[in-house]
Amino acid sequence: AQSVTQPDIHITVSEGASLELRCNYSYGATPYLFWYVQSPGQGLQLLLKYFSGDTLVQGIKGFEAEFKRSQSSFNLRKPSVHWSDAAEYFCAVGRRMEYGNKLVFGAGTILRVKS
Amino acid sequence: KAGVTQTPRYLIKTRGQQVTLSCSPISGHRSVSWYQQTPGQGLQFLFEYFSETQRNKGNFPGRFSGRQFSNSRSEMNVSTLELGDSALYLCASTGSGTDTQYFGPGTRLTVL
Repeated sequence: AQSVTQPDIHITVSEGASLELRCNYSYGATPYLFWYVQSPGQGLQLLLKYFSGDTLVQGIKGFEAEFKRSQSSFNLRKPSVHWSDAAEYFCAVGRRMEYGNKLVFGAGTILRVKS
Repeated sequence: KAGVTQTPRYLIKTRGQQVTLSCSPISGHRSVSWYQQTPGQGLQFLFEYFSETQRNKGNFPGRFSGRQFSNSRSEMNVSTLELGDSALYLCASTGSGTDTQYFGPGTRLTVL
């Protein structure tokens, strides 16, 4: 069965510091991987996605993620965090749309940014 | 292009009632998926509709149902509401060739 693990429930970083959010997945085939961000009371906004090809993917708001098949990981990074990045971040695994759309999400990581 | 819209944004119901939530996907998208988000269980997949047919279903009781119309708009219905159904219900749409789900703002359901 597919599963996603985000080991860190909360992370606090200082504004301007670098950030890495961890994500490990379990999936029987080549996964489609996503990072979404959610502000309080809002829906999910797509940050970036990985389907195939270059294992380092760039997303919006200066985020990037690296797919490492050997470690079953897809960690999210940002070199310099801004106060507006405070939110909850979700890693998700899915598959090609033709096989049916179903995302399996991790439990989320709440990011706090201190000034 | 307009994004995914969900109505209503907030609902308050009492136990035993039923509720219908609506989702309008991004224009041209034919797949609509529904998710339930709660503090305890996180984000869980409810079901997916594609071209008016349910294509995937999660592990929820039969009280949770849905449908999709010919214009791709989707509704989900929860009958005999329980306190535990209080949640944020999110819908997402996917277009052919994108393999990416785009989410709406959600409907916050409170069951008293």
